[in-house]
Amino acid sequence: AAGVIQSPRHLIKEKRETATLKCYPIPRHDTVYWYQQGPGQDPQFLISFYEKMQSDKGSIPDRFSAQQFSDYHSELNMSSLELGDSALYFCASSLWGFTEAFFGQGTRLTVV
Amino acid sequence: AQTVTQSQPEMSVQEAETVTLSCTYDTSESDYYLFWYKQPPSRQMILVIRQEAYKQQNATENRFSVNFQKAAKSFSLKISDSQLGDAAMYFCAYRSARYSGGGADGLTFGKGTHLIIQP
Repeated sequence: AAGVIQSPRHLIKEKRETATLKCYPIPRHDTVYWYQQGPGQDPQFLISFYEKMQSDKGSIPDRFSAQQFSDYHSELNMSSLELGDSALYFCASSLWGFTEAFFGQGTRLTVV
Repeated sequence: AQTVTQSQPEMSVQEAETVTLSCTYDTSESDYYLFWYKQPPSRQMILVIRQEAYKQQNATENRFSVNFQKAAKSFSLKISDSQLGDAAMYFCAYRSARYSGGGADGLTFGKGTHLIIQP
């Protein structure tokens, strides 16, 4: 069965650079969620989208922005990268209102 | 704000035995969902089991079951007949029912319990 696809799987950027992470949800899933998991930490909710509109917002820094497109894929844009942004970034998808969501394998971002 | 506490950073169990992972949470809400997620070395987050707060019956999924004590705000995970493939980090998570998106909307995770399976 198709799963949540995230690209790239690994990304290395320098401080102050910009990064774009992509998430392709499971077919027919209309809701996507973004999480950030720092080294040895629990995942932190960043933001979610439903039908291209922001649904909920968590602890997403102002330097980050995200959007969902008409084909339901989502992109997380991160500017002025800092060393502390090094983390595993997860995307998950579900059908709106359904309890079960499925996570992708994550994008590991390393800022040097 | 809700908090989720997992007091066991690491647990070890012999293969084929039973192990229980603890989780407590703090909330003033009456309607919410609780989850256990598994994160193996591949780092992918995999849903193990979920519980709706309004349901008194404890959820069960094959070898995995929970003991949900709403009044005590406790949500422990029992793994029966432990297998080598169960070795992973286990996260307890809370989601308020006010997050209308469902799924993984606004999950609050605990710090995780690293489960080691001894062959």
